[in-house]
Amino acid sequence: KAGVTQTPRYLIKTRGQQVTLSCSPISGHRSVSWYQQTPGQGLQFLFEYFSETQRNKGNFPGRFSGRQFSNSRSEMNVSTLELGDSALYLCASSTGTGLTQETQYFGPGTRLLVL
Amino acid sequence: AQSVSQHNHHVILSEAASLELGCNYSYGGTVNLFWYVQYPGQHLQLLLKYFSGDPLVKGIKGFEAEFIKSKFSFNLRKPSVQWSDTAEYFCAVNRLTGGGNKLTFGTGTQLKVEL
Repeated sequence: KAGVTQTPRYLIKTRGQQVTLSCSPISGHRSVSWYQQTPGQGLQFLFEYFSETQRNKGNFPGRFSGRQFSNSRSEMNVSTLELGDSALYLCASSTGTGLTQETQYFGPGTRLLVL
Repeated sequence: AQSVSQHNHHVILSEAASLELGCNYSYGGTVNLFWYVQYPGQHLQLLLKYFSGDPLVKGIKGFEAEFIKSKFSFNLRKPSVQWSDTAEYFCAVNRLTGGGNKLTFGTGTQLKVEL
């Protein structure tokens, strides 16, 4: 089975721009979660989507948003980029149906640099 | 707010030494517990997980972890490390309130194994 894939792998943007990152989950997985990884804050949960609905949300400003499509692929959008948004953005997928026993599998990430 | 603590930020060991990495979390209730590993240049990979039952769980590559509920701990162990175990190790907790995925990660432990 193919793993979680993320595109693009690297991205350079300037402050004020917006960016869209894409994630394709493992086949059959219906839950997609997004995490931000930075040297200072570590790994932080952004949000989770399941069946095209946001199921859980972290403590990030409204500039960070996401969506999920009917084929379970997900996109994450960051508007009005700030220097502090430079990070590795990780996508993780799980089946989504085992509410008490979910295991997430991570993709390689998209490294975003904001100049 | 929930938190996950990893007490050792940097660990240096010689090959064949034993390893124990500490992980504590800060709240009660039902949780799922995970250890993930990030090898240099690679993405986060699942080492092992605990959902319920036997508190001693075994993972890949000879790793094991013990869940001690009374101590809110989930320490990772390996009897004899190898140079190839050089990586960053993350403890993560999924608090099962409302279902779904919302992993809280520790800050990570950078392990260096010397020949």
